Amino acid sequence: KAGVTQTPRYLIKTRGQQVTLSCSPISGHRSVSWYQQTPGQGLQFLFEYFSETQRNKGNFPGRFSGRQFSNSRSEMNVSTLELGDSALYLCASSAQGSEKLFFGSGTQLSVL
Amino acid sequence: GENVEQHPSTLSVQEGDSAVIKCTYSDSASNYFPWYKQELGKRPQLIIDIRSNVGEKKDQRIAVTLNKTAKHFSLHITETQPEDSAVYFCAASHPTGNQFYFGTGTSLTVIP
Repeated sequence: KAGVTQTPRYLIKTRGQQVTLSCSPISGHRSVSWYQQTPGQGLQFLFEYFSETQRNKGNFPGRFSGRQFSNSRSEMNVSTLELGDSALYLCASSAQGSEKLFFGSGTQLSVL
Repeated sequence: GENVEQHPSTLSVQEGDSAVIKCTYSDSASNYFPWYKQELGKRPQLIIDIRSNVGEKKDQRIAVTLNKTAKHFSLHITETQPEDSAVYFCAASHPTGNQFYFGTGTSLTVIP
């Protein structure tokens, strides 16, 4: 069974631009969550989607948004990029009724 | 919201020695506590987890203990090996769903 796939692996953007990251969960997993990882800060929860509905949301500004499609694939969008948005963005999926997270390899976003 | 603190931030041990990483949490409603291992440049992977109705869980050289009253839980690795070198994250789950609060990580180095 294929693991969680995130694309692209690396992104370089400039301040003010917007970016869209993609995540394909493990087949059969309907929950997809997103985390921001920065050195020294650990992983910070962005949001979680289940069956196309946002179920939970972390404390990030409205510039961070996401969505989930009917095939459970999810996208995350960041608008008006700031230097502080530079981070590794990790997506994780889990099976229904399970809290075990399976992470993707992440998208490394650099904002210049 | 939940706040998870993790100590120490770095830990070096000799091969064969034990390593202990400690975490505290603030929300008494949290009921699931996983530990993730992240090797350099790789995705976080679940290594062990514990629920709030259990005090201890073991899996070969790895064990986790939970003290609900004191709101702290610990990861114990015995007979450490060089391949145990990685960053370890503790987490606590939000009771409403797959939303996790992570500690800031412990960088473990096992010296051969």
